[in-house]
Amino acid sequence: AQTVTQSQPEMSVQEAETVTLSCTYDTSESNYYLFWYKQPPSRQMILVIRQEAYKQQNATENRFSVNFQKAAKSFSLKISDSQLGDTAMYFCAFMKPPFQAGTALIFGKGTTLSVSS
Amino acid sequence: GAVVSQHPSRVICKSGTSVKIECRSLDFQATTMFWYRQFPKQSLMLMATSNEGSKATYEQGVEKDKFLINHASLTLSTLTVTSAHPEDSSFYICSASRLAGRYNEQFFGPGTRLTVL
Repeated sequence: AQTVTQSQPEMSVQEAETVTLSCTYDTSESNYYLFWYKQPPSRQMILVIRQEAYKQQNATENRFSVNFQKAAKSFSLKISDSQLGDTAMYFCAFMKPPFQAGTALIFGKGTTLSVSS
Repeated sequence: GAVVSQHPSRVICKSGTSVKIECRSLDFQATTMFWYRQFPKQSLMLMATSNEGSKATYEQGVEKDKFLINHASLTLSTLTVTSAHPEDSSFYICSASRLAGRYNEQFFGPGTRLTVL
């Protein structure tokens, strides 16, 4: 069975600083998708970034980037130039094949990130 | 695009009554919808997966007679909590999936907070 582990329950960072959230996972699949979701105090889930395991290049979305280490089964999220609006719970998630069917996401336990001024 | 709504956003009911929560994909047809339950400061727990016109698939440990799911159309799924009790109080989130390139992307509703007195 696939598992997703986030080992940092809480983290804090100052505005404008950089922070890295960790995620490891366990799977025997060769191709899969990995995601980072953000859940702010409104509790609306927002997709931050996704990575297909087949692709070597690390995904980047503006201030958000990932460090995908397939062999180590590690998928960390780096947030650069942190902003107050980044305060949220962040979930790492995994999707196994088949991708075209209604395959559910497997979520980690989450990391609560607090950004202070 | 790809907006998912939930109604109601919050509901308070008396113990023993039934509550229905609606999940709608507003601008796309969803191949599959998912229902999650989330306790405070915890991760999303998948309850069931539903496809239009067929019976929902429930996760192990989820009582299908208590949590009735109906997926009547490609844009509407409903979760009915029958004979609700205080332990059913929680935050319920739905997501709707749509094929986006190589995988089915999930779009989340804003959630429903259920309080059972």
